Amino acid sequence: DAGVTQSPTHLIKTRGQQVTLRCSPKSGHDTVSWYQQALGQGPQFIFQYYEEEERQRGNFPDRFSGHQFPNYSSELNVNALLLGDSALYLCASSLRATNQPQHFGDGTRLSIL
Amino acid sequence: KNQVEQSPQSLIILEGKNCTLQCNYTVSPFSNLRWYKQDTGRGPVSLTIMTFSENTKSNGRYTATLDADTKQSSLHITASQLSDSASYICVVRDQFGNEKLTFGTGTRLTIIP
Repeated sequence: DAGVTQSPTHLIKTRGQQVTLRCSPKSGHDTVSWYQQALGQGPQFIFQYYEEEERQRGNFPDRFSGHQFPNYSSELNVNALLLGDSALYLCASSLRATNQPQHFGDGTRLSIL
Repeated sequence: KNQVEQSPQSLIILEGKNCTLQCNYTVSPFSNLRWYKQDTGRGPVSLTIMTFSENTKSNGRYTATLDADTKQSSLHITASQLSDSASYICVVRDQFGNEKLTFGTGTRLTIIP
């Protein structure tokens, strides 16, 4: 039973570019959340998707957008990249309306030059 | 504003010794609190969950406590092992029926032989 998988594992971009990160949730999960984790910090909530719609959003600008597909997988898109966007981007999946923990992927390390 | 604060920021102990990590939160209304372990370069993994009515919960050498009145939790690690070296993150969920979580910045624990 595969857990949460994210791709790519590492990515290098330059300022102003756009990036798409991908996430496949754990089997049986229907909700995907995205987090940004700067070095030495805890994860910061970006947004959450359920039934192909954005359900909640953290304090991130509109440059951060996402999508969820019918198979529950998800993408995170970031436009007009800034140096400050360099971070580990974590995807977590869960089964909505249960008390089960979110299962995290190992993240995508994004570096902006 | 919901906040989760952890202390110490970092901790170094000898293999075989015990240690206690602290977490204070202001999330309200409170639903549950989880401790996650995050190995370097990996996503967080849930260790324990504490709900309002629970004071203590153990998972092997990990024991979590919760004082809902003072909004404090601790994670005690007994007979530490080299594999315990990781970041330990306290995560609090509110009661609004969603899965938006508030993360602490973590305690970086290093076990030395």
